[in-house]
Amino acid sequence: GEDVEQSLFLSVREGDSSVINCTYTDSSSTYLYWYKQEPGAGLQLLTYIFSNMDMKQDQRLTVLLNKKDKHLSLRIADTQTGDSAIYFCAESGGGGADGLTFGKGTHLIIQP
Amino acid sequence: GAVVSQHPSWVICKSGTSVKIECRSLDFQATTMFWYRQFPKQSLMLMATSNEGSKATYEQGVEKDKFLINHASLTLSTLTVTSAHPEDSSFYICSADRGTDYEQYFGPGTRLTVT
Repeated sequence: GEDVEQSLFLSVREGDSSVINCTYTDSSSTYLYWYKQEPGAGLQLLTYIFSNMDMKQDQRLTVLLNKKDKHLSLRIADTQTGDSAIYFCAESGGGGADGLTFGKGTHLIIQP
Repeated sequence: GAVVSQHPSWVICKSGTSVKIECRSLDFQATTMFWYRQFPKQSLMLMATSNEGSKATYEQGVEKDKFLINHASLTLSTLTVTSAHPEDSSFYICSADRGTDYEQYFGPGTRLTVT
């Protein structure tokens, strides 16, 4: 079945860039997403990328997609303490109309 | 816009009882709603997909008779955990699709604890 993998923890210093990586197996994935979950809060969509794109930038966030390797990354520039959260990679074959397959989440830890 | 609420936000029930969780789209009509389950430090697992007025489609391994889903209107879906057991304790999250774009809108989740 479909599978999405990501490392469980990432520790960075405040002000540095964070790069969170994700791999997926479903070659028919159409949309790939990054969600943020803070303690006690719901999922917040950070950004998404359509499968025919290889890069998307939105302020401090840069998403890179390597469709050949089925590899997705999220780069957060100038990481701040407020970026501390769990980041989930997810994929969908049909956008909002299909259930999403999520990775286990990467816990981003910010060191002062 | 595109706000999804869940009620209750947390619930404790005794083993053998049933509990109902509501998911509402507050400012849009949801063509489809989804129910996910999240174990501690785990990813969200899709349980079922529901469309208004029709039976829910359950993912493999999810017991239909245990997790009853009713999608009575375009703004309300309910998940009833029947004869709950401690292993049903989890965080249940719903999401809604308004059919116009790429995004699902997630509720804040419901923490279920079965004692």
